[in-house]
Amino acid sequence: LAKTTQPISMDSYEGQEVNITCSHNNIATNDYITWYQQFPSQGPRFIIQGYKTKVTNEVASLFIPADRKSSTLSLPRVSLSDTAVYYCLVGASYGGATNKLIFGTGTLLAVQP
Amino acid sequence: EAQVTQNPRYLITVTGKKLTVTCSQNMNHEYMSWYRQDPGLGLRQIYYSMNVEVTDKGDVPEGYKVSRKEKRNFPLILESPSPNQTSLYFCASRSGGTGTREKLFFGSGTQLSVL
Repeated sequence: LAKTTQPISMDSYEGQEVNITCSHNNIATNDYITWYQQFPSQGPRFIIQGYKTKVTNEVASLFIPADRKSSTLSLPRVSLSDTAVYYCLVGASYGGATNKLIFGTGTLLAVQP
Repeated sequence: EAQVTQNPRYLITVTGKKLTVTCSQNMNHEYMSWYRQDPGLGLRQIYYSMNVEVTDKGDVPEGYKVSRKEKRNFPLILESPSPNQTSLYFCASRSGGTGTREKLFFGSGTQLSVL
């Protein structure tokens, strides 16, 4: 199982860059790494996804080293509205079919003024 | 608008009284799943379905049932709810039958309290 490990919480201030790292030592060859954001009383929503190296979109960047045993979500210049729980998701592969999607416990990011 | 719809949003019930939480998606997704969220434990998968009439257990299936008779619907059934099933439940769907490349779309959640 590609179990993931993330810090439970992080604090930051507005305007700072925030990096959240997720460990997934048992990631399978076919697994992608996906990050989700969850606000209170809402379902998680997709932020970014990658397989290796670096991916960037309008919201965040995702850095994945060559061994793919970890990944880092980078949020540039955070604002108060970025306060949320961030989940790293890696699939659990059984016989090549990745359907048992295992979320980590998530990282609560608190952004202060 | 593409969405996953769960009902009800809030539900209070008593131990042993059967209940069903409905989930419907309008994106023609093959894959649907249920998660429960508890403080300090993150999101844990209960059941998932790769397509109509194909379901399988997630990490915490005990005490739950599901069915997938139509592609768009994936109800979660608690035959005899117990207080330890008090939790926030999320339904999610995505296209494709296998792999983690396709992103999940989540419903707004159902807060269940079992007294």
